[in-house]
Amino acid sequence: SQQGEEDPQALSIQEGENATMNCSYKTSINNLQWYRQNSGRGLVHLILIRSNEREKHSGRLRVTLDTSKKSSSLLITASRAADTASYFCATRSGTYKYIFGTGTRLKVLA
Amino acid sequence: NAGVTQTPKFRVLKTGQSMTLLCAQDMNHEYMYWYRQDPGMGLRLIHYSVGEGTTAKGEVPDGYNVSRLKKQNFLLGLESAAPSQTSVYFCASGYLTGTGGEHNIQYFGAGTRLSVL
Repeated sequence: SQQGEEDPQALSIQEGENATMNCSYKTSINNLQWYRQNSGRGLVHLILIRSNEREKHSGRLRVTLDTSKKSSSLLITASRAADTASYFCATRSGTYKYIFGTGTRLKVLA
Repeated sequence: NAGVTQTPKFRVLKTGQSMTLLCAQDMNHEYMYWYRQDPGMGLRLIHYSVGEGTTAKGEVPDGYNVSRLKKQNFLLGLESAAPSQTSVYFCASGYLTGTGGEHNIQYFGAGTRLSVL
């Protein structure tokens, strides 16, 4: 079964709005990562948040982590059409492996 | 610096045929991975390697074999393709970071779309 489950499965917003997507996981983690996948392309690493961090920023991205609820959220502020993509969370499973969720498909309308 | 390169990009096989997918990385990463991506399933790990000459099974290894004879290359083989192996295959390479090497950042190739008829 998937360690990370994203919610919602799909999201459609207008350009300039904020987009929030959530990830829930099942076991304890020491970090959680978010990746983006443009249509027909591979995944690209966006941001990593450690288990002892509660919030992290990178440009227009803001990630939060609540280890007590085993959940994380990714906020994209002032979204652009170029942000249209699928977004995946990934949690560590063993030293070398990560488990990826099923993803949130984001569509930003111009 | 090409990053992670997968060949071929597309392939159509008949049931029972064999093929090898090639992944090459030029970032000197120790760790390499093969995933498959199916609609609604996210990414599932097939096999991975933590160094030249080593391989290990992931979540869904059945029907696949891998080899890592050179650090920069990771090959995924299908000995007898089945329609259930129709998927998009992604290769990734990664390295450990963090004070204790506890974080693994992965870099992905563009994928191989495989159809098995």
